[in-house]
Amino acid sequence: DTEVTQTPKHLVMGMTNKKSLKCEQHMGHRAMYWYKQKAKKPPELMFVYSYEKLSINESVPSRFSPECPNSSLLNLHLHALQPEDSALYLCASGPQGPESPLHFGNGTRLTVT
Amino acid sequence: GQQVMQIPQYQHVQEGEDFTTYCNSSTTLSNIQWYKQRPGGHPVFLIQLVKSGEVKKQKRLTFQFGEAKKNSSLHITATQTTDVGTYFCAGDDFNKFYFGSGTKLNVKP
Repeated sequence: DTEVTQTPKHLVMGMTNKKSLKCEQHMGHRAMYWYKQKAKKPPELMFVYSYEKLSINESVPSRFSPECPNSSLLNLHLHALQPEDSALYLCASGPQGPESPLHFGNGTRLTVT
Repeated sequence: GQQVMQIPQYQHVQEGEDFTTYCNSSTTLSNIQWYKQRPGGHPVFLIQLVKSGEVKKQKRLTFQFGEAKKNSSLHITATQTTDVGTYFCAGDDFNKFYFGSGTKLNVKP
């Protein structure tokens, strides 16, 4: 079980589709993260939001567009994805500042056809 | 950017045997965290080490942070089948958590 909720659990989309991944946490954490994880690989940092502002973009292609509507919600908008973007997308949150463990959601398993 | 390597990549042990995974960073870390990811699951936080030379224990798990704060290890004593999963270290670079390559542990009953 996790206190970070991600929806949907699974998503299949075509290369011309537009879809969104959603993440919600109610732990009062002010830092939220998107990670991408390919099979048998470690999570790869994509974006970091700090106090609802984008603080880190790890050179992610523009077909991925993050959004943080408020301190509890984090979205990842997807458009014109490629098959190689198929992966597990993990959302995480953490208290701001040093010594801040990450709390992960269960992830969204994305397949791009 | 920061690179964090882990060895070994895979480890197969008999239940009851000990297990150790090592994590090495190319840069000095402000702190290091350890996570466990079960098959089909998400990473779960285990522990954080902050001080140079720090050693922490959680039941059968012992975590160490090197004196130079560039390496760390996780040791499991007397493994159990419930220890199966992939263990990741994650180096903190001003709230950018870079995960190590991971060590996948398989425990045979």
